[in-house]
Amino acid sequence: GQQVMQIPQYQHVQEGEDFTTYCNSSTTLSNIQWYKQRPGGHPVFLIQLVKSGEVKKQKRLTFQFGEAKKNSSLHITATQTTDVGTYFCAGSGAGTASKLTFGTGTRLQVTL
Amino acid sequence: EAGVAQSPRYKIIEKRQSVAFWCNPISGHATLYWYQQILGQGPKLLIQFQNNGVVDDSQLPKDRFSAERLKGVDSTLKIQPAKLEDSAVYLCASSLVAAGGPRKTQYFGPGTRLLVL
Repeated sequence: GQQVMQIPQYQHVQEGEDFTTYCNSSTTLSNIQWYKQRPGGHPVFLIQLVKSGEVKKQKRLTFQFGEAKKNSSLHITATQTTDVGTYFCAGSGAGTASKLTFGTGTRLQVTL
Repeated sequence: EAGVAQSPRYKIIEKRQSVAFWCNPISGHATLYWYQQILGQGPKLLIQFQNNGVVDDSQLPKDRFSAERLKGVDSTLKIQPAKLEDSAVYLCASSLVAAGGPRKTQYFGPGTRLLVL
């Protein structure tokens, strides 16, 4: 079955440093979504990427979908303590009923 | 707009006991999902409903887990009998799914934390 891996598993940065998490799928994806889960909370949708090579920005967050639609990345510029949490990518194959497979997640810790 | 509601928020049971979780999705959302999230892992889809029909239950351990969505609104997930490895957070999510369109955002509930002793 489809597998989605993320690296790194964990990253600790100083506030103001940049952060990047990478997501790799074992199969070609129809689209990819990114979620953020705060400690003790539930996943919250951030963004969806659909097109090959697509790049989207949300303030300090930049999301990219690979040309082959098998990988994606999330880059945070100048991290803040509010960025703390676990970032999950989640991919699905073709078809509106195709299930979403979540990645293994990257836990981000930001300290002053 | 009210979010996805789940209850109970926490549950502690002994192995071999039964437990049930309830979910009320966002009004008008046709698709409902149950996920299992083990500590330190990403959510794993257990079952997906479209209205009151099952779309995907390939990862549901059907010998002990069951789920239903009566009238295409609320849903319950049951475990009988529970095992130690069922300790996890059970997340319910809902979404609008437009036929032929891209997948829609999934909105997650707060989850039910289950501890099996």
